[in-house]
Amino acid sequence: SQTIHQWPATLVQPVGSPLSLECTVEGTSNPNLYWYRQAAGRGLQLLFYSVGIGQISSEVPQNLSASRPQDRQFILSSKKLLLSDSGFYLCAWSVTGADTEAFFGQGTRLTVV
Amino acid sequence: GESVGLHLPTLSVQEGDNSIINCAYSNSASDYFIWYKQESGKGPQFIIDIRSNMDKRQGQRVTVLLNKTVKHLSLQIAATQPGDSAVYFCAENRGSGYALNFGKGTSLLVTP
Repeated sequence: SQTIHQWPATLVQPVGSPLSLECTVEGTSNPNLYWYRQAAGRGLQLLFYSVGIGQISSEVPQNLSASRPQDRQFILSSKKLLLSDSGFYLCAWSVTGADTEAFFGQGTRLTVV
Repeated sequence: GESVGLHLPTLSVQEGDNSIINCAYSNSASDYFIWYKQESGKGPQFIIDIRSNMDKRQGQRVTVLLNKTVKHLSLQIAATQPGDSAVYFCAENRGSGYALNFGKGTSLLVTP
């Protein structure tokens, strides 16, 4: 069966520090991968999605970047965090080339102080 | 711009009653819709989906209705239980190669 791992679960970082959140998927090949952000009491905002290694699409201009160094690994990064980067970050995957549901990780609660 | 939105931000129901959560979408190109349930501090979980060639789909205690004429989607939960308390999101997909677009969510509170 397929599983998705996302870590860390919680993170407190000072303003101006770098960020690296990692997500890996097991049990499937060539998945579509996604990073979403959720503000408190709000819906999910798509940040990045990837349909293959090295292929990253950005949905909104921001202080963050994403990379896909391996087929089942998706990394969310920032060189210098801002207070506004605080939120709940969710990684997700879906089967490539088909309209199917996305499967989510358990999320990372990031607080920038 | 085109978006997926929800009619009600919060919904309170008594245990045992049926719940109906509504969602409106504006993108006529959307052909696949999903309902997710998100418990506090966790990632969203898939509940049920429906494709645009269907009007209704049933799962265990849940039913999704799709009205393409008015671009409306609803989730019906039968005999609502305390464990159903969560935030519910509808999401749409415009087609292969596009990511899901989520609505803002409805918080469902089940009272004893």
